[in-house]
Amino acid sequence: AQSVTQLGSHVSVSEGALVLLRCNYSSSVPPYLFWYVQYPNQGLQLLLKYTSAATLVKGINGFEAEFKKSETSFHLTKPSAHMSDAAEYFCAVSGTTGNQFYFGTGTSLTVIP
Amino acid sequence: EPEVTQTPSHQVTQMGQEVILRCVPISNHLYFYWYRQILGQKVEFLVSFYNNEISEKSEIFDDQFSVERPDGSNFTLKIRSTKLEDSAMYFCASRAAVSYEQYFGPGTRLTVT
Repeated sequence: AQSVTQLGSHVSVSEGALVLLRCNYSSSVPPYLFWYVQYPNQGLQLLLKYTSAATLVKGINGFEAEFKKSETSFHLTKPSAHMSDAAEYFCAVSGTTGNQFYFGTGTSLTVIP
Repeated sequence: EPEVTQTPSHQVTQMGQEVILRCVPISNHLYFYWYRQILGQKVEFLVSFYNNEISEKSEIFDDQFSVERPDGSNFTLKIRSTKLEDSAMYFCASRAAVSYEQYFGPGTRLTVT
């Protein structure tokens, strides 16, 4: 069975500061991992994905995430926050069947000017 | 860039009524999904559909729910007799055969009164 835990339902950072959003997963099979972003009143947009290639994954808008098997983590980072990064971020895991996604509860990111 | 579209964006219905939520997946995708997100909660998997049949479904997807691909482009979710607790944002997603990332539509907000 797969599950995802996102620590911190709300994260606030200053503009220009490091963004770190945490995601830990549980999976009985080698996982595929994803980060999605949801802006207000919009759908889920894929930020980046890990599918068993390079452990450091780069995504859109300057975000990246590192898969750490020993820590069962897939934390999302961005070196310098921008006001436009304010949104809800969801981590998701899928087993190798590639079927259903299991989502975390989401982290709401606020960027303070 | 191809995208998943959903109609309507907002649907209000009375308890006990039938609703059909419509989705047009990305044209060369073969796997289709429905998820829902109750306000303030995580995104939950409902059902996956491949080769004109359900491949996986969650315990949420009971006999009140059905899915259909009536033609080569649409993918629908029907709720036979809506309940108050069906009020949620419903997301359609699709993916290609050769990758595992799912592409989400903007969602339909269903309000049951």
